[in-house]
Amino acid sequence: GENVEQHPSTLSVQEGDSAVIKCTYSDSASNYFPWYKQELGKGPQLIIDIRSNVGEKKDQRIAVTLNKTAKHFSLHITETQPEDSAVYFCAAYQDTGRRALTFGSGTRLQVQP
Amino acid sequence: DVKVTQSSRYLVKRTGEKVFLECVQDMDHENMFWYRQDPGLGLRLIYFSYDVKMKEKGDIPEGYSVSREKKERFSLILESASTNQTSMYLCASSLWPGLNNQPQHFGDGTRLSIL
Repeated sequence: GENVEQHPSTLSVQEGDSAVIKCTYSDSASNYFPWYKQELGKGPQLIIDIRSNVGEKKDQRIAVTLNKTAKHFSLHITETQPEDSAVYFCAAYQDTGRRALTFGSGTRLQVQP
Repeated sequence: DVKVTQSSRYLVKRTGEKVFLECVQDMDHENMFWYRQDPGLGLRLIYFSYDVKMKEKGDIPEGYSVSREKKERFSLILESASTNQTSMYLCASSLWPGLNNQPQHFGDGTRLSIL
């Protein structure tokens, strides 16, 4: 089955700096890659996603890149703010077989004011 | 806005008890999921359901069962609770993927402690 590895497990940056979280996946059939943000006491919320026919997607300060050949995708947050502090999860999905998301292990991002 | 509601935020039960975790979604989603979240392990899929009365095993189904009698409700059952089932449990729902790969919407979780 699919396996998703996520790094780093914790990341501390100064306010205004950029943060990058990286994920690799194992199954070349995966074709949808969402990123979720989980704030304290809340469930994960989708913040951005990318499909396998696209190499990059941006939404204001957040961007995701996908390299299908290398089977890795990354989340980039620019001009970080304290409210970006949360746990971030990447996931991979394929619409054949099991048709369920496989999640990475999560990255705890701390933005220092 | 999609709302996924988990009946309890915190639950404390004893070893050997039968435990029910309830989840309700209000957007007529076909798919519903139960995950378990543990530090350093991310979200692991326990069971999921594509339709009423249908269920599929996820990655860690042992010790759990599920019930989906109505489209909006998906229950997770711990048949005989054990201390290693102490965890955060998250419910999610989504539309049938089709070609659009609809995102999953999560509830806020139930933190379950088994003593």
